[in-house]
Amino acid sequence: NAGVTQTPKFQVLKTGQSMTLQCAQDMNHNSMYWYRQDPGMGLRLIYYSASEGTTDKGEVPNGYNVSRLNKREFSLRLESAAPSQTSVYFCASSEETGGLRQYFGPGTRLTVT
Amino acid sequence: TQLLEQSPQFLSIQEGENLTVYCNSSSVFSSLQWYRQEPGEGPVLLVTVVTGGEVKKLKRLTFQFGDARKDSSLHITAAQPGDTGLYLCARTRGSYGKLTFGQGTILTVHP
Repeated sequence: NAGVTQTPKFQVLKTGQSMTLQCAQDMNHNSMYWYRQDPGMGLRLIYYSASEGTTDKGEVPNGYNVSRLNKREFSLRLESAAPSQTSVYFCASSEETGGLRQYFGPGTRLTVT
Repeated sequence: TQLLEQSPQFLSIQEGENLTVYCNSSSVFSSLQWYRQEPGEGPVLLVTVVTGGEVKKLKRLTFQFGDARKDSSLHITAAQPGDTGLYLCARTRGSYGKLTFGQGTILTVHP
């Protein structure tokens, strides 16, 4: 039981390049979330998926897209990376839709030059 | 925007000392969570408090939810180097489990 896994762990992009961050959970959870963490700002919600087949915007969705591929997987795509998207990205899942307990992955550290 | 303000932002203490971290908001929240995050890892949930005035204990950690449900505190007794990390408070926002986080408190406990 690996919990929440994220790939890659580190990535460096040039401005304008695209990439997809992958997230998978093996806990049969309904809800999944993408956050970004910047120094001094805690974590901010980018997008979430309350259940398979649905996605919705969080606090800071601009510049990102998501896909809930199936119940296990929730990917985050940067179509044209910008230096402002340099951050650590965390995926999380929770058992119930709206469930209070979220389980976080280990994060992806992204640098955009 | 329903902000969560955490204080202090940084805390550096010696092993064996006590400390308190605060989390405040101008609005009432239905529940509040405390997470601990170690370098290179994701946050891990420590506790959820729901009822005003509630106190929960987790070994040397004591969590309190204010009577008016606008503030919370985390108190650590006899801190140890293993307590070093980033402590985050978070509140639920709307439905679907969306969380709003405070900016965090970086705690360093020196041996």
